[in-house]
Amino acid sequence: DAKTTQPPSMDCAEGRAANLPCNHSTISGNEYVYWYRQIHSQGPQYIIHGLKNNETNEMASLIITEDRKSSTLILPHATLRDTAVYYCIVRDAGGTSYGKLTFGQGTILTVHP
Amino acid sequence: DAGITQSPRHKVTETGTPVTLRCHQTENHRYMYWYRQDPGHGLRLIHYSYGVKDTDKGEVSDGYSVSRSKTEDFLLTLESATSSQTSVYFCAVTSGTGTRQYFGPGTRLTVT
Repeated sequence: DAKTTQPPSMDCAEGRAANLPCNHSTISGNEYVYWYRQIHSQGPQYIIHGLKNNETNEMASLIITEDRKSSTLILPHATLRDTAVYYCIVRDAGGTSYGKLTFGQGTILTVHP
Repeated sequence: DAGITQSPRHKVTETGTPVTLRCHQTENHRYMYWYRQDPGHGLRLIHYSYGVKDTDKGEVSDGYSVSRSKTEDFLLTLESATSSQTSVYFCAVTSGTGTRQYFGPGTRLTVT
């Protein structure tokens, strides 16, 4: 699976949009970009994933650049409960990967009042 | 939470003793995983299973063994616990290689 690079930490004001970047310049054509987050001491929680097109769900939006070498997770109206570690993961969706995830260090997002 | 439970949730044990952690799921997911998480680190894969009796090693499998005799249970065993295995252990499941993983609440293991 391709390696990802994320900033170690970011801050955001409550109510504002949080934009979390991820670089995955070695991504291959059959690899998806996944985002998970981990709120203190809990198990990671799935947020969103995408292949090429931008994706949106009830939690967030995922913007993937046209060359697929980077992406941005957007939390449109951050709340204090969004304070967490956010992991960007590139994963092969093929059968030989067995669905395994490789976690990096992630980005610690702190939302301030 | 995809019906995932882990037991025990907390355990303190002594060096050299065997320990078994259990992951139980109720929704018939095919794939199951064990990860460990240490302070300042992301999760690291220990072992995974892609079906009953089908398991394989992850990146940090030394000192651990697993078994899956039925779909709903995935056991992680530390044959002889060491202090370096003090960690938080997470179980995860997924139904397909292209789908999301659901994580359990974690087991905090302390080896003294």
